[in-house]
Amino acid sequence: VQLLQSGGGLAQPGGSLTLSCEASGFAFENYPMTWVRQAPGQGLEWVSTISGSGSNVFYADSVKGRFVVSRDNSQNTLFLQMNSLETEDTATYYCAKIETTILTPFHFWGQGTLTTVAS
Amino acid sequence: SYVLTQPPSVSVAPGETARITCGGDEIGDHHVHWYLQKPGQAPVLVISYDNDRPSGIPERISGSTSGNTAILTIRGAEAENEADYYCQVFKSSFEVVFGGGTKLTVL
Repeated sequence: VQLLQSGGGLAQPGGSLTLSCEASGFAFENYPMTWVRQAPGQGLEWVSTISGSGSNVFYADSVKGRFVVSRDNSQNTLFLQMNSLETEDTATYYCAKIETTILTPFHFWGQGTLTTVAS
Repeated sequence: SYVLTQPPSVSVAPGETARITCGGDEIGDHHVHWYLQKPGQAPVLVISYDNDRPSGIPERISGSTSGNTAILTIRGAEAENEADYYCQVFKSSFEVVFGGGTKLTVL
């Protein structure tokens, strides 16, 4: 299993950024995926989860209405489109493969990508 | 919203047993999962469903639940066990809750 993350970087408050997570080593379309973030020096915070088909999506209240999770199963890639960014969104964002179904643990994590929101 | 409470830090002497607690209201009604995270690295699942060990996790690491507290136990602590440890549960209507994390120091 490999999860290769890209995207991230510096964005201005109110701006947008898209993160990507390219998966390999497993049948991507069969597994739900999730995003978890970690602000500098802080703990883990769940952000969003998407089912294997992409038909079911879930968001933390802190990002609902601003972030959009999606996936392209033909390209084995997970996305997180982040809009209306706030300074509080500054964090390392991790994608993770979920064990089997939606309410099962986060089995394998990507390496993380840092997003900084600042003017 | 649901809260999981962990001690910010736990210290243990090499070779001794470390216990990291995770408190939550009626936590026994939920499966608890544990992750470790070393500095600069991604989290790793070490205990799932309260006390199952994923492949590659040594038997020295175990989980249990007592009352309103889940416990991660590390027997024979070694320097390599130094990390931040997080507990996690799923709540109904899809809420994912992490504990605040516990920094384990082996000294």
